[in-house]
Amino acid sequence: AQSVTQLDSQVPVFEEAPVELRCNYSSSVSVYLFWYVQYPNQGLQLLLKYLSGSTLVKGINGFEAEFNKSQTSFHLRKPSVHISDTAEYFCAVSVVLDSNYQLIWGAGTKLIIKP
Amino acid sequence: DTEVTQTPKHLVMGMTNKKSLKCEQHMGHRAMYWYKQKAKKPPELMFVYSYEKLSINESVPSRFSPECPNSSLLNLHLHALQPEDSALYLCASSQDRELEAFFGQGTRLTVV
Repeated sequence: AQSVTQLDSQVPVFEEAPVELRCNYSSSVSVYLFWYVQYPNQGLQLLLKYLSGSTLVKGINGFEAEFNKSQTSFHLRKPSVHISDTAEYFCAVSVVLDSNYQLIWGAGTKLIIKP
Repeated sequence: DTEVTQTPKHLVMGMTNKKSLKCEQHMGHRAMYWYKQKAKKPPELMFVYSYEKLSINESVPSRFSPECPNSSLLNLHLHALQPEDSALYLCASSQDRELEAFFGQGTRLTVV
């Protein structure tokens, strides 16, 4: 079965420090990959996506992610976090299941910014 | 316009009530979705409409009834809900099924 693993349920980091949120997926076929952010009491907002092409993808708010096919990973990074980055981050993979595309979600990682 | 608009933002309903959640998008997207999200969990897919036809129903109880009146609107009719149905209900749309989904702000539903 297809799955998405976000190994860290919470990541605490000091303001202005770099951060990496990890995402691994299981799939033997081509996939589309996404990172979404959810601020408290809000809907989900797309941070960035990988569909094809360059494996380094830049998104909004200074985030970027690297698609690594051999390691089936799509880790999210930011070189310097801000207090406003406090949120839940979800990795998702779009795969074909029963002739339909379906979005498989990771469990989420809560990013906690310490002042 | 790159928004998905959901109304109401908050809803409290009794177990015998009938209510509806509404969702609207004007991006020309052909796929629309309903998700249920419990606290500290990822969203769970409930229904998918593709070209105004229901294409996926993830074994959702019949007390939830989706409706897609046209390509811009998606409704979720609620009847005889249970307290465990309390959650954030998210609507989303995408240009095609494999591409990124745009989410609304959600309706926070409380069943009493």
